Amino acid sequence: GAVVSQHPSWVICKSGTSVKIECRSLDFQATTMFWYRQFPKQSLMLMATSNEGSKATYEQGVEKDKFLINHASLTLSTLTVTSAHPEDSSFYICSAQNRDRGPGELFFGEGSRLTVL
Amino acid sequence: QKEVEQDPGPLSVPEGAIVSLNCTYSNSAFQYFMWYRQYSRKGPELLMYTYSSGNKEDGRFTAQVDKSSKYISLFIRDSQPSDSATYLCATLSNDYKLSFGAGTTVTVRA
Repeated sequence: GAVVSQHPSWVICKSGTSVKIECRSLDFQATTMFWYRQFPKQSLMLMATSNEGSKATYEQGVEKDKFLINHASLTLSTLTVTSAHPEDSSFYICSAQNRDRGPGELFFGEGSRLTVL
Repeated sequence: QKEVEQDPGPLSVPEGAIVSLNCTYSNSAFQYFMWYRQYSRKGPELLMYTYSSGNKEDGRFTAQVDKSSKYISLFIRDSQPSDSATYLCATLSNDYKLSFGAGTTVTVRA
C-alpha cells in the first residue's frame, strides 16, 4: 500500500535554532500534502496545505514566516520550524493526497516529535 | 463551535465487548466522514470512510452516518486488546482538508 515517510521521527533542539522535517510519498505522486500539529492528548490541527510548485496555504493563526513549507516535487514536502521555541514542541504530522485514489484516502506519515529545550 | 465534536473518553471495555464511538459535526455540506486509529506516538491510520448517509461494514468495524442529525458512529464488534488506541473521527472538505474530533482513547481489557 501507499506509504508516507517522515524524517526525522524525533528531534531535540536548542531554543532559537531551526529544524527541518521532511515528508515523502514513497510509491505515489502527491499533488497536495498537509501539515498537522498535535499537542499531547489533543487532536490534530491543520497548519497548512502544501501544493506542489506553489505557495503553501496557511490556516488562520499559523505564522507562515515561522513555519516554512516547501513542496518542490510531487514526492517531497518540507516543514521548517524557524527560530524554534519551547512552545513549538509538538508532534508534527504530514499527510499526502494520492491523486490516483479517491478523495477519501489520504495517507499519513508516522509523525515527527519536536522537543525544543 | 468546533466543526467536529468527539468525547475524548477514556473508554475502557472488556475483551469481546462492543465498542461504540460517536461524533457530531456542524457543517451540513460535509460529504465524506472518516475514522482513523492512532497508536501512541504514531501517525493516524485510516480505518474506513463513508460517503453521505448510511452504513459501511468492514470486518469487525461498522461506520454509520446520519446526516439528518449530523451524527457519526463507529462500532467495533468482538473487541480485542489490540484495538486499544485513540480513535479519531474526521470530516473531509471539498478541498480535502480534514477536520478532526478530539479523539477517544479506548482500552480493551484482556
